[in-house]
Amino acid sequence: DTGVSQDPRHKITKRGQNVTFRCDPISEHNRLYWYRQTLGQGPEFLTYFQNEAQLEKSRLLSDRFSAERPKGSFSTLEIQRTEQGDSAMYLCASSFGADTNYGYTFGSGTRLTVV
Amino acid sequence: GQQVMQIPQYQHVQEGEDFTTYCNSSTTLSNIQWYKQRPGGHPVFLIQLVKSGEVKKQKRLTFQFGEAKKNSSLHITATQTTDVGTYFCAGPGNTDKLIFGTGTRLQVFP
Repeated sequence: DTGVSQDPRHKITKRGQNVTFRCDPISEHNRLYWYRQTLGQGPEFLTYFQNEAQLEKSRLLSDRFSAERPKGSFSTLEIQRTEQGDSAMYLCASSFGADTNYGYTFGSGTRLTVV
Repeated sequence: GQQVMQIPQYQHVQEGEDFTTYCNSSTTLSNIQWYKQRPGGHPVFLIQLVKSGEVKKQKRLTFQFGEAKKNSSLHITATQTTDVGTYFCAGPGNTDKLIFGTGTRLQVFP
């Protein structure tokens, strides 16, 4: 149990469908990050929140992607009109502010397959 | 944009041999972090280095931060099969989020 929960673990969807992923961070952590990882690559930054405020979005995050963190607790990442290129592992991580002494705590990820 | 590169991309060693991965950033870093990702798993935080020239040890793992704070290395002495996985370095970008390196995948043969 890493303390960061992601749901679902796996998602297979048809091209053009919408999908939504959920992340529950460690409760004491006010920062929440979304990353995307493809096979053989390092995690790529997508977006992050401090409490409920979305502070930064990567240029990788097209207008088909939207993330929310209502009330500064859990977060959702929605992908509209999925494309095959969206197939990847979507990782959520949390941390306590900008304090990096303990690094990021990652969840187990949601593996998305678009067919 | 900022880039973090690691070499080698892959390393296969016999159990008991040493292993080193090198990390290079295109920009000076305020700190460098290292993560390990087991096959099928998620990245797990190992350590953070902050000071120029800093060296930290965790059992058989030795981490070093370069004097110019643009490079770092991870050395594993006498590898074991439990060391198998991909090792990532990561540094803060121009904002607070981490930029991850390309990773080095370590395979250890018994």
